[in-house]
Amino acid sequence: RKEVEQDPGPFNVPEGATVAFNCTYSNSASQSFFWYRQDCRKEPKLLMSVYSSGNEDGRFTAQLNRASQYISLLIRDSKLSDSATYLCVVNFPNAGGTSYGKLTFGQGTILTVHP
Amino acid sequence: DGGITQSPKYLFRKEGQNVTLSCEQNLNHDAMYWYRQDPGQGLRLIYYSQIVNDFQKGDIAEGYSVSREKKESFPLTVTSAQKNPTAFYLCASSLDSPGTSYEQYFGPGTRLTVT
Repeated sequence: RKEVEQDPGPFNVPEGATVAFNCTYSNSASQSFFWYRQDCRKEPKLLMSVYSSGNEDGRFTAQLNRASQYISLLIRDSKLSDSATYLCVVNFPNAGGTSYGKLTFGQGTILTVHP
Repeated sequence: DGGITQSPKYLFRKEGQNVTLSCEQNLNHDAMYWYRQDPGQGLRLIYYSQIVNDFQKGDIAEGYSVSREKKESFPLTVTSAQKNPTAFYLCASSLDSPGTSYEQYFGPGTRLTVT
């Protein structure tokens, strides 16, 4: 099983659509979770952190289900500018069980929003 | 402006030559990371450093070397021992302190082509 697994897509949706991405992770001790966005041939940029209670930032909503080791990202009212690859990212504790900054990245989900 | 800089943006080398990629940050972050990204794949960790004068191998360290003599700088050398060096190289940094969420911020990347 991959440490962080995402549906690679691609997802092709019309403007205004709602689209959801899912991600599963293998280590139940993980403490920090993120969604990053990566445009073609650019660096990844932090889109949002994911908190246990779920969080929303404008059109974007992130959810965390620790019991199922599952993270989701919902994008409402899709814009052309949302076209990008969305990376699910998880902080894995080290062998001693303490958290530190090593992040594990999923392969990414490609989203294309068309007119 | 605070941020992470990488230079050069594009680099071309002949097979058998060592090449050093630059990464500088003025965010006062303790931790720095090097990743490699190949087309259609996720980010893979090469090396990371949590404090000055200390660094650890990541998942794919063979054929690479690093140094961390200053907090701001974390150069990566791609040696001739690296079998498939052509890739997009990304440097990142984070606060990496207990109580933080460990989100990482990326530089713009260096595209290395070895022929």
